[in-house]
Amino acid sequence: AQSVSQHNHHVILSEAASLELGCNYSYGGTVNLFWYVQYPGQHLQLLLKYFSGDPLVKGIKGFEAEFIKSKFSFNLRKPSVQWSDTAEYFCAVSRGGSQGNLIFGKGTKLSVKP
Amino acid sequence: GAGVSQTPSNKVTEKGKYVELRCDPISGHTALYWYRQSLGQGPEFLIYFQGTGAADDSGLPNDRFFAVRPEGSVSTLKIQRTERGDSAVYLCASSLGLDGTDTQYFGPGTRLTVL
Repeated sequence: AQSVSQHNHHVILSEAASLELGCNYSYGGTVNLFWYVQYPGQHLQLLLKYFSGDPLVKGIKGFEAEFIKSKFSFNLRKPSVQWSDTAEYFCAVSRGGSQGNLIFGKGTKLSVKP
Repeated sequence: GAGVSQTPSNKVTEKGKYVELRCDPISGHTALYWYRQSLGQGPEFLIYFQGTGAADDSGLPNDRFFAVRPEGSVSTLKIQRTERGDSAVYLCASSLGLDGTDTQYFGPGTRLTVL
């Protein structure tokens, strides 16, 4: 069965610090990979996604993620975080090639201190 | 509005009661998903519709849970004989339904509390 692991439960950073959130998945076939964000009091929204091509994908608000197939990883990065990035971040995977459900990790809560 | 809407936003019920949760997807989206999110966890898949039919219901935890989408638009998740363990936020998402690269757009969720 597919699963997604997010290594950090809660990350606390100061503004302007760099961010990297880890995500590993377990599935041997082709996958589609997603990062969703949930700001306080808001619903889940897509940050970025990867399904093929350049393994370095850029999303909204300066976020990017790199797909490393050999490591089954899709880590999220941002060079300089802002207080407004305080949110919960979820990594998700779906099987490639067909419509289907997302398998989510448990999420990482990011707190950015002003 | 243009997004996915869910009603009610909050539902408090007593153990053993029946509840219905409604999802109104983005217009034109043929795929609709239900997920459940418990405290401290990521969303967990329940059921997926393509049009009117349930393409995958493998995530429904037991036969107390049932969902319909009779006209291929609005969907209702139905829970019979609710238990305290059913307390969670129930999320609905919709997508264009073309392939697995589609973005799923999530609604605000229904927070269900079973006393």
